[in-house]
Amino acid sequence: SAVISQKPSRDICQRGTSLTIQCQVDSQVTMMFWYRQQPGQSLTLIATANQGSEATYESGFVIDKFPISRPNLTFSTLTVSNMSPEDSSIYLCSVGKQGLNTEAFFGQGTRLTVV
Amino acid sequence: LAKTTQPISMDSYEGQEVNITCSHNNIATNDYITWYQQFPSQGPRFIIQGYKTKVTNEVASLFIPADRKSSTLSLPRVSLSDTAVYYCLVGDVGGPGTALIFGKGTTLSVSS
Repeated sequence: SAVISQKPSRDICQRGTSLTIQCQVDSQVTMMFWYRQQPGQSLTLIATANQGSEATYESGFVIDKFPISRPNLTFSTLTVSNMSPEDSSIYLCSVGKQGLNTEAFFGQGTRLTVV
Repeated sequence: LAKTTQPISMDSYEGQEVNITCSHNNIATNDYITWYQQFPSQGPRFIIQGYKTKVTNEVASLFIPADRKSSTLSLPRVSLSDTAVYYCLVGDVGGPGTALIFGKGTTLSVSS
């Protein structure tokens, strides 16, 4: 299994500012994934972060808005830049199956409110 | 990835068995069926996974007919704490680099 810690758990930010969300995993993982969950909606994949290379972004998400760092095999950050109220969402990081486990693991999420 | 269709919401009472059906008509040969549960303010949590027939664990059972075009998640004797969103996902289990693509999910509300 994998235990994922996300920081902060929640934040209220002013529009136009940026917030960096941290994701720490208790074991080394190749890929980490970042999702957004808007209020009352399902999860949407933002990007896939591979250690040592640029993140791969899904359609509708760009690096300038959501820069991602992946400095090592246990840590990643997602920055939400130049925030607007439309960015108010829960942001979650995830890692895929590990070893014999068939499941993916998720952090608790970061609840972001932009005012 | 195969598209899935599941009810938007379901209501139940404590102690009842709840069955949530998911349709996946375009499931591929290599695809597995996986269900996740999400409580408010938490990330999704794996419940069960199967390929065909029936799978049972301590939390739920998963029934998959021979044509694999649908599946049913069965929750025995639900309690208030089973109130959550349940997601049906279909895809190749793949390796650690496989991202999960979520559909809309089914919101289960359990009342006393």
